[in-house]
This record gives sequence, C-alpha cells and structure tokens, in this order.
Amino acid sequence: TQLLEQSPQFLSIQEGENLTVYCNSSSVFSSLQWYRQEPGEGPVLLVTVVTGGEVKKLKRLTFQFGDARKDSSLHITAAQTGDTGLYLCAGGGYGGATNKLIFGTGTLLAVQP
Amino acid sequence: KAGVTQTPRYLIKTRGQQVTLSCSPISGHRSVSWYQQTPGQGLQFLFEYFSETQRNKGNFPGRFSGRQFSNSRSEMNVSTLELGDSALYLCASALRSAAGNTIYFGEGSWLTVV
Repeated sequence: TQLLEQSPQFLSIQEGENLTVYCNSSSVFSSLQWYRQEPGEGPVLLVTVVTGGEVKKLKRLTFQFGDARKDSSLHITAAQTGDTGLYLCAGGGYGGATNKLIFGTGTLLAVQP
Repeated sequence: KAGVTQTPRYLIKTRGQQVTLSCSPISGHRSVSWYQQTPGQGLQFLFEYFSETQRNKGNFPGRFSGRQFSNSRSEMNVSTLELGDSALYLCASALRSAAGNTIYFGEGSWLTVV
C-alpha cells in the first residue's frame, strides 16, 4: 500500500516566520503535486513537480522533489495569514497512465497575525 | 475558463437511501476522478474515468459506483447509504490520462447521512 506521510501534522506560527512541510513515502512517484485546501472548499493546485531533484519557486513558496522521487518539501518564507489552510501533497502517475492521486495525511497550517 | 463544477453542493440523506452526485469537468478535459474526504481517513481515491471508461477503482464497496458520459460529465452514485458515508466528495478533472498530468478539483459535494 502506498502511503504519503506529511509532517508536521499541525503547525501554528506567527506572521513573518518561515516554515517547512515534509512529504515522505517509501514508494516512487512519477509526479508529485501540492495543494492548499480551505475549509469547505476543494483543494487548489499549487505546483506539480515531475523531475527528481526539481525545485520550483512560486513567490514565497519553494517546492522540492527528492532525487529519488520519494519525498518532497514545501518551504514558505515570511508566512502571511492568507497562507492559512490545509496543505496536501499528492503522488501521481504510479503504475502508468493514470490520474489517480495518492494523498498525503495533510498539514494544517495556522498563521497568526 | 470555468473550473470543475459539482452539484449539489450540500445534501442531507437518510440511512438506506441512495444519492447521485454530478460533476462537470473543465471544458476539453476528458479525465474525471472522484475522491472521498473525511476527517479520519483524509482524501481517498474512488474511481477514475477517461472517455467513458473506468480506468481505476479505489478500495470502496460496490455500493459506490460511477459513470462518465460522452460529453465527459460524470456522476457517482452511492446506494444504501450508511452513516460513515458522510463526507466531502470531490471531483477532479484533467486533460489526459497520463503521469504528471495537472489535475484540478471542484469545490466538492458535502453529503451528510443521518
């Protein structure tokens, strides 16, 4: 069974602080996506990484895909209250041509003003 | 362009009833997947359809079924509802069925079984 473990599970920080969320698996994924989900809404795609070792930056967010494509990290610099939400990593493409995603356990981030 | 549209957004059903949820993918997208999200189990894959064919099925009982129409719209059905079926049901669409595809989610349908 493929599992994606995220850590930490919960994170409460002050505005302006930096944070890193980790997503680890024993399985190899051909791609990994990061989503943010707000209460009562569906997940919103932040980034897709497909190449081992790949680093993508979106403003204050930096995403990295591990060299072995088994893990990923999301780093947020100078967090803002608008970053509050549930962050989910999702591995995809395992076993061929499929859009099936295996979701991580989630990290609930609260950024306090 | 319009995103993934799910209807209804909220519904309450009684144990033993059945429910049908609808999903309209992003225009041009031919792949539709369904997920169940609960506080205890997180987001779990239900099934994936591409060009009206079921490509993958998750580990859910046969009470959960789905289909895709020729216009790529999809429906999922849950029969003989149980309390544990209360969840947010999410539909996702993608352009193709391939590894590394970008997948977009709808806002979900909140199902409460009483």
